[in-house]
Amino acid sequence: EVHLVVSGGGLVQPGRSLRLSCAASGFTFDDYAMHWVRQAPGKGLEWVSSVSWNRANIDYADSVKGRFTVLRDNADNSLYLQMNSLRPDDTALYFCVKGDYGANSGAFDYWGQGTLVTVSS
Amino acid sequence: SYELTQPPSVSVSPGQTASIPCSGDDLGDKFVNWYQQKPGQSPLLVMYQDSKRPSGIPERFSGSNSGNTATLTISGTQAIDEADYHCQAWDSDAAIFGGGTKLTVL
Repeated sequence: EVHLVVSGGGLVQPGRSLRLSCAASGFTFDDYAMHWVRQAPGKGLEWVSSVSWNRANIDYADSVKGRFTVLRDNADNSLYLQMNSLRPDDTALYFCVKGDYGANSGAFDYWGQGTLVTVSS
Repeated sequence: SYELTQPPSVSVSPGQTASIPCSGDDLGDKFVNWYQQKPGQSPLLVMYQDSKRPSGIPERFSGSNSGNTATLTISGTQAIDEADYHCQAWDSDAAIFGGGTKLTVL
């Protein structure tokens, strides 16, 4: 059974940094693309970033480009999101998501439980 | 930038057919995926590549995509199908989501 356990959310001041972690299990991690998707309170889903199985392709939403960095450690079955220069509009529930194949362009077939990031002074 | 448009809400009576549209320029040229999200839960993939059902998704869920509109159809809608439904496609290496549609079964 696929498990995606996310940690690292919390309250942070504008301009500060935060690092989210996602521990994956139940599948061959290095066969699949991994993604971050967020959802602001009461709003729809917003794609944040994707990394292909071998890290050859990394993509970011324009809203986070230059501030967020996605990392994956295939030896440790882990996905990370380093978030710098955080802004109030980054406040959201952040989901770690498994892709349904190795490239970035597939469906999101398993979602973690989400971790809340609140950016406020 | 590419946009996907969904109606904010759709209502259906139990046992009837619900159709949830998702529109975008030449959307028929892309694969569309659909996610169901119930309150307080993470999204669940219910349709991928326009019309393929993941394992465990009931047969009453079906999908289509042609022209500028993709549609998620739920036949014989049940109360447990009440949820938000989000369409999604890829454009220029970016995943795009529609705004979501709240399906009410009443």
